[in-house]
Amino acid sequence: EADIYQTPRYLVIGTGKKITLECSQTMGHDKMYWYQQDPGMELHLIHYSYGVNSTEKGDLSSESTVSRIRTEHFPLTLESARPSHTSQYLCASSPLPGQGGYGDSPLHFGNGTRLTVT
Amino acid sequence: AQSVTQLGSHVSVSEGALVLLRCNYSSSVPPYLFWYVQYPNQGLQLLLKYTSAATLVKGINGFEAEFKKSETSFHLTKPSAHMSDAAEYFCAVSDRSNTGKLIFGQGTTLQVKP
Repeated sequence: EADIYQTPRYLVIGTGKKITLECSQTMGHDKMYWYQQDPGMELHLIHYSYGVNSTEKGDLSSESTVSRIRTEHFPLTLESARPSHTSQYLCASSPLPGQGGYGDSPLHFGNGTRLTVT
Repeated sequence: AQSVTQLGSHVSVSEGALVLLRCNYSSSVPPYLFWYVQYPNQGLQLLLKYTSAATLVKGINGFEAEFKKSETSFHLTKPSAHMSDAAEYFCAVSDRSNTGKLIFGQGTTLQVKP
């Protein structure tokens, strides 16, 4: 049972359209992440957030943008979709570090949004 | 910098056989390591994690992994495969920074034959 929700699950859209992928979590986690996943490839971090009003770019360059106005909500926006944006987008969150310190908390993932740009 | 290599993009086993999925890591600091499973059209689900306690870590669904520092490995095993184990498996290492982000391997698809 997911505590992190992504909508839509599937989206097919034409080139040039503006889209927003929604992500919400009910766990009160401060940190949230967007990963991009292509078939047979590893997940690449494209955006993350430490908390409200915090957004950072990840390891993989992306033309998308994100916002974090509320703790539970971390939407991703593409101003003008292109076929190269076709991919699966996974949202995740994590709690504060445990006794092990930074990095010992697992990420909790949503079910993903599979985006196809025609 | 941290990185993860998963040996074998596809592994096929018979139902009831041993499952072995290989993961080697590179890390400049003592690593925190994770295994995730992804079923078709779903997100990633945590199987188990290693955070410097016991080197043999038990996870859900009968999976376990052993951290071997000398071999920089964290292989995932299950004594007896079940059809429901067919999925994609990802090994990941934490960058140990305050971002909390994970660096993932390329994944291994496990096929279970009847």
